[in-house]
Amino acid sequence: KQEVTQIPAALSVPEGENLVLNCSFTDSAIYNLQWFRQDPGKGLTSLLLIQSSQREQTSGRLNASLDKSSGRSTLYIAASQPGDSATYLCAVRPIPGKSTFGDGTTLTVKP
Amino acid sequence: EAGVTQFPSHSVIEKGQTVTLRCDPISGHDNLYWYRRVMGKEIKFLLHFVKESKQDESGMPNNRFLAERTGGTYSTLKVQPAELEDSGVYFCASSHLGGDEQFFGPGTRLTVL
Repeated sequence: KQEVTQIPAALSVPEGENLVLNCSFTDSAIYNLQWFRQDPGKGLTSLLLIQSSQREQTSGRLNASLDKSSGRSTLYIAASQPGDSATYLCAVRPIPGKSTFGDGTTLTVKP
Repeated sequence: EAGVTQFPSHSVIEKGQTVTLRCDPISGHDNLYWYRRVMGKEIKFLLHFVKESKQDESGMPNNRFLAERTGGTYSTLKVQPAELEDSGVYFCASSHLGGDEQFFGPGTRLTVL
């Protein structure tokens, strides 16, 4: 059974800092991994999708990496801004279909 | 392009009552998923439709939950009778057939008193 863990559970940083969020999974036989952000009371917004054959994906100030063999993914946020404050979730798929989610990391970026 | 929509946004019912949640996927998306997040826990998969067929319903907690997708467009998730532990946020997601990226709706917050 796939288990997904996100560390840390919460993170508070001053504006401008670069930061890394971690996601680990127990079964390396994955199809893809997707990072989301969730704002309070809102749905999930897709940030980056990494296929199992890829090592990283970039979008603006975000960079996600994937190391399947070690069961890890990281989400790197450069030059953080207060608007980046949200809960970040990673979801792993063993096949095209259902996702297994981590608990999320709640990020607060202070002005 | 309109995103995934869910109705209602919030529902408060009493234990033993029935509630029906609705999800309208992005137009043209054959895959439709239901997930839920109960208090203090991670988002968990409930089931997956491909068009009108149930592809995977391994996450459905018990027979009080019934999901349908007649016609392969919108889907409903009925809880009957609702129990206290059903309280949480129910998310719907959709994707293209063969597509990898799932797009989520805003969720329905269900409170069972």
